[in-house]
Amino acid sequence: GNSVTQMEGPVTLSEEAFLTINCTYTATGYPSLFWYVQYPGEGLQLLLKATKADDKGSNKGFEATYRKETTSFHLEKGSVQVSDSAVYFCALRRTNAGKSTFGDGTTLTVKP
Amino acid sequence: DADVTQTPRNRITKTGKRIMLECSQTKGHDRMYWYRQDPGLGLRLIYYSFDVKDINKGEISDGYSVSRQAQAKFSLSLESAIPNQTALYFCATGGTGGTGELFFGEGSRLTVL
Repeated sequence: GNSVTQMEGPVTLSEEAFLTINCTYTATGYPSLFWYVQYPGEGLQLLLKATKADDKGSNKGFEATYRKETTSFHLEKGSVQVSDSAVYFCALRRTNAGKSTFGDGTTLTVKP
Repeated sequence: DADVTQTPRNRITKTGKRIMLECSQTKGHDRMYWYRQDPGLGLRLIYYSFDVKDINKGEISDGYSVSRQAQAKFSLSLESAIPNQTALYFCATGGTGGTGELFFGEGSRLTVL
């Protein structure tokens, strides 16, 4: 079956530090890959996505590249801000499938 | 107004009580989902529906039931709540085309005493 494994948290960084949150997946075929973000007290919202190998998704300074050879979709940001403090979820969805598979989430705290 | 609205946002109830969580959406999506979030366990799928006449069990459906009253409405019921159903519940919607992005409500926090 499909599965998503995320880097365990929590992760605590100082403002302007570099961020990497690792995500690897197991799936048959060619899934679409997503990063969702959950800010305190809110629901999840899409941060970025990639639909095929070597695609790079980007948004709000965050980036992730779909690496089929390593089955990975690591999230990166060059300089985090306090406002980036949230829980980040990696997810996949196979083409035409009705269900998404989520990782366990990684909590990021950025200190001033 | 939010595209996906959940009610109630917070609820405290007692063991054995029946509870209904409601979800409505204005995105015009056919697909609707109920997820449960527990600390350290990520999101787990309870039930999902691809249209009004289609209901499917997810990975943790025991103890829950759902009703798809209309394209825009999808309710989750706990027939007899128990303490280990204390969690944050999310409704989500998704379109049939595109890349499969989900749109989430703000969550319903349920506490069963």
